[in-house]
Amino acid sequence: DSGVTQTPKHLITATGQRVTLRCSPRSGDLSVYWYQQSLDQGLQFLIQYYNGEERAKGNILERFSAQQFPDLHSELNLSSLELGDSALYFCASSPHPAGENTGELFFGEGSRLTVL
Amino acid sequence: GQQVMQIPQYQHVQEGEDFTTYCNSSTTLSNIQWYKQRPGGHPVFLIQLVKSGEVKKQKRLTFQFGEAKKNSSLHITATQTTDVGTYFCAGTAYSGAGSYQLTFGKGTKLSVIP
Repeated sequence: DSGVTQTPKHLITATGQRVTLRCSPRSGDLSVYWYQQSLDQGLQFLIQYYNGEERAKGNILERFSAQQFPDLHSELNLSSLELGDSALYFCASSPHPAGENTGELFFGEGSRLTVL
Repeated sequence: GQQVMQIPQYQHVQEGEDFTTYCNSSTTLSNIQWYKQRPGGHPVFLIQLVKSGEVKKQKRLTFQFGEAKKNSSLHITATQTTDVGTYFCAGTAYSGAGSYQLTFGKGTKLSVIP
């Protein structure tokens, strides 16, 4: 158990819909990262927050948005869903800000999104 | 932007054989990390290398960081069925405007035939 909690574990929805994925980082970790993993693909970095502020942005679509709340949990919002958005979405946390020494990332178990 | 290439994409070995996966970055890295993802699981941190030419060992696993800090390798000696999974490297590099970015390779999926 990494200490990172993601909900929901599984989500099935239709094209055009909007979903929200939630992540609670490990106790004390201020950084939250979001990654997308499609079938047989690597981990595509989406976005990172540190203590409520956006720190780094990867290949995140404009239809996607995220935020980190004062209690440090984070939410990833996916809207106008397309079939290609079906993937495993991982959240990871770290005590470190985005910097030269990222440190170990602790991953949650992921949220599997299926868009039909 | 920064790219991290990892080869091979897949590797099937007989139990007891050795296994190596290689990671190459388009830019000089501050550090490199390695993660293992078991089938159906989430990535789990294995190690971080920081120094040029660094070599670290964890039991049957040997990790190397190249002299130019642009490549790395993970070598497993005498594979076991418990080694099955996907191994990812992840490199941290400067991305401009005072920021650094951690980029994952696509991973090497290891299958071990008993």
